[in-house]
Amino acid sequence: DGGITQSPKYLFRKEGQNVTLSCEQNLNHDAMYWYRQDPGQGLRLIYYSQIVNDFQKGDIAEGYSVSREKKESFPLTVTSAQKNPTAFYLCASSFGTNYEQYFGPGTRLTVT
Amino acid sequence: AQSVTQLGSHVSVSEGALVLLRCNYSSSVPPYLFWYVQYPNQGLQLLLKYTSAATLVKGINGFEAEFKKSETSFHLTKPSAHMSDAAEYFCAVSDKGSSNTGKLIFGQGTTLQVKP
Repeated sequence: DGGITQSPKYLFRKEGQNVTLSCEQNLNHDAMYWYRQDPGQGLRLIYYSQIVNDFQKGDIAEGYSVSREKKESFPLTVTSAQKNPTAFYLCASSFGTNYEQYFGPGTRLTVT
Repeated sequence: AQSVTQLGSHVSVSEGALVLLRCNYSSSVPPYLFWYVQYPNQGLQLLLKYTSAATLVKGINGFEAEFKKSETSFHLTKPSAHMSDAAEYFCAVSDKGSSNTGKLIFGQGTTLQVKP
């Protein structure tokens, strides 16, 4: 089955630790995206990548980093510099700009 | 710059009643518009999309939306609500303006409650 996988579903970390969230897609999509979702705030774009080995900052990139070494993979690292990392993180992909995006199931990160 | 406004953060309907979720957009160019649904602790699922073809767009699960350029609206409707429709709904517009990043700009979401 084609789709987007995110792992793990739930993730717990101590404050001050970096943590990497996985996102893999087998849809052969060129573009991939990371969003953060907080209650009552909709989706906010963290980073996006339109092609392998290239990515751009979204609206809330501070405290996050990404890589795009392979077309099917777009991992997100939440660094210790992110002041309020507890949130629901969603990965998405699309054929390209202006196409509909397909979403993974999300990772809920809790930092204490 | 493109933007989306969803009127009403919470909408409550009775089972079998009409569902109407409102979305207004702002765009300097002909927009691409999308509606997504999200069930608790899950990702978003595409309900339907408008990409400048027919103005009345039919989607999955009996939903449809009508693009009205004069009103800059793209409201989502369903004739008869089902309990399984209870979820959060997001309207989105594609960033096709001067930057043309292709990013989706999402509204704040509307939570639909369906009462038995």
